Amino acid sequence: AQSVTQLGSHVSVSEGALVLLRCNYSSSVPPYLFWYVQYPNQGLQLLLKYTTGATLVKGINGFEAEFKKSETSFHLTKPSAHMSDAAEYFCAVSGINTDKLIFGTGTRLQVFP
Amino acid sequence: DTAVSQTPKYLVTQMGNDKSIKCEQNLGHDTMYWYKQDSKKFLKIMFSYNNKELIINETVPNRFSPKSPDKAHLNLHINSLELGDSAVYFCASSQVPIYGYTFGSGTRLTVV
Repeated sequence: AQSVTQLGSHVSVSEGALVLLRCNYSSSVPPYLFWYVQYPNQGLQLLLKYTTGATLVKGINGFEAEFKKSETSFHLTKPSAHMSDAAEYFCAVSGINTDKLIFGTGTRLQVFP
Repeated sequence: DTAVSQTPKYLVTQMGNDKSIKCEQNLGHDTMYWYKQDSKKFLKIMFSYNNKELIINETVPNRFSPKSPDKAHLNLHINSLELGDSAVYFCASSQVPIYGYTFGSGTRLTVV
């Protein structure tokens, strides 16, 4: 069975500050991990993914995430927040021989000027 | 040219009615999905089809019936709508699931 826990349903940062959105996973098979972003009244857009190989993955819009097996974590970071980053962020897990993404409950990121 | 398109974008209907949501993808993907996003933004898979064949059917009421006439289309028909069906329904597609999904922009269903 697979599951994802996102710590913090709301995160607020000032523009220019570090963004850190936390995600921990549980998986009985090697996980494939994803971060998606959802802007208001829009669908989900893939930010980045980890399948195999390098544990630090870079995505769009300056985001990156690091897969840490020992901590079962896949936290999302961005060095400097921009107003346009305000959105809902979802962590998701899948695995080999599974055909579905399991999503976390989402984290709403607010960016203040 | 939208990759995954859903129609309608908004749907307001009365309890007991039957409605359909249509989804089309032009990415050439083999697998399509329906997800439900509730009022708390929680996303849960409902169905998945691979090349017109049903692969995943989560514990969804029988009132929900997906239909895939070809691998580019996956429609969702809902009978006898209930208040609890109010949600945003997302269609998605993928070629290889581990590479991620492409989502449509969603259909906001409101049952009154």
